[in-house]
Amino acid sequence: AQSVTQPDIHITVSEGASLELRCNYSYGATPYLFWYVQSPGQGLQLLLKYFSGDTLVQGIKGFEAEFKRSQSSFNLRKPSVHWSDAAEYFCAVGPYNNNDMRFGAGTRLTVKP
Amino acid sequence: EAQVTQNPRYLITVTGKKLTVTCSQNMNHEYMSWYRQDPGLGLRQIYYSMNVEVTDKGDVPEGYKVSRKEKRNFPLILESPSPNQTSLYFCASSYRAGRAVQGYTFGSGTRLTVV
Repeated sequence: AQSVTQPDIHITVSEGASLELRCNYSYGATPYLFWYVQSPGQGLQLLLKYFSGDTLVQGIKGFEAEFKRSQSSFNLRKPSVHWSDAAEYFCAVGPYNNNDMRFGAGTRLTVKP
Repeated sequence: EAQVTQNPRYLITVTGKKLTVTCSQNMNHEYMSWYRQDPGLGLRQIYYSMNVEVTDKGDVPEGYKVSRKEKRNFPLILESPSPNQTSLYFCASSYRAGRAVQGYTFGSGTRLTVV
């Protein structure tokens, strides 16, 4: 069965520092991978997605993620974090028709001034 | 504005009293889904719909019902709510572009408390 693991429950970084959020997946076929962000009291917003092709994908708000099949990972990165990036981040994996999309438990990001 | 609208945003109810959470999208998306979010568990899919009159169970369908009579609406029905259904609920919609269904657009959530 497919699953997603986000090893870090909570990460704190200083504003301006770089960020990497980890995501590992288990999936038997070609995965479709997503990162979402949830600001407090809000729904989830899609940051970026990977379906095929270039393994480095660019998203909104300056985020990028790299798909590494050999490591079953899809880590999210940002070169310089802004205070407004403080939120919860969810990695998700699903089949092409999204009928069984699985989300990780989330990583809460705190940004220090 | 393209959006998924859920109502109500907050709801407190008593055990056993039937309730419906409405969900509507204005993007003509064929795919719609309901998730519940619980601390430490992430989001878990309750039900899924690939189009009008086509629905399927997700990971945690027990105690819930859905219907998809119109493309834009996908209500979530709790026939007899219980305290373990206290949670934050999200409706989401998506569409197909080429072979793959794109990422979901989520509603703002419904916080349900069952006492």
